[in-house]
Amino acid sequence: SQQGEEDPQALSIQEGENATMNCSYKTSINNLQWYRQNSGRGLVHLILIRSNEREKHSGRLRVTLDTSKKSSSLLITASRAADTASYFCATDAGETSGSRLTFGEGTQLTVNP
Amino acid sequence: DAMVIQNPRYQVTQFGKPVTLSCSQTLNHNVMYWYQQKSSQAPKLLFHYYDKDFNNEADTPDNFQSRRPNTSFCFLDIRSPGLGDAAMYLCATSRDPGIETQYFGPGTRLLVL
Repeated sequence: SQQGEEDPQALSIQEGENATMNCSYKTSINNLQWYRQNSGRGLVHLILIRSNEREKHSGRLRVTLDTSKKSSSLLITASRAADTASYFCATDAGETSGSRLTFGEGTQLTVNP
Repeated sequence: DAMVIQNPRYQVTQFGKPVTLSCSQTLNHNVMYWYQQKSSQAPKLLFHYYDKDFNNEADTPDNFQSRRPNTSFCFLDIRSPGLGDAAMYLCATSRDPGIETQYFGPGTRLLVL
């Protein structure tokens, strides 16, 4: 079954508001990553949080990780119309042959001007 | 500046007609991945190469093959495309095992008629 599940599936907010997306997973992980995908494009890496970290910041992004609950959240503060995209969490169990990511189903974020 | 390049961006093929998608990278990364992403779904890993070592996912159909003739190039061959193979195919790279961030190309959208 899919490792990552995200909610909400879709989120619509006004410019300037904060957006919070959640991700849950099932098995032990080495790290959890968040990616962004504009419509019809490839994925862009946003932020990585390791299993021994609880919170991480990057610009307007804040990611939390709770390994006891097997969940993570991505907060985008002061959203902009350009933040409109799909956001995916991806878990990495950590293998020697390469980083194998298992993606969640994604949250479609729409930021209205 | 393009780091992971996929050609073509759009590919139309006929049912049962073999098709090859290509990916090249200027990052000199050791690991290259192929993902399949169907509409509004999560990217799904098909296989990856760590250098010349091929790692197939257990549920990847035999219809899908891959070649990596050198560090820079990786190909996805679909031997007999079916209607269900219509999807976005994403190529990604990572520097080494244990270096977790993946860099994605823009994707090739495959249409099967």
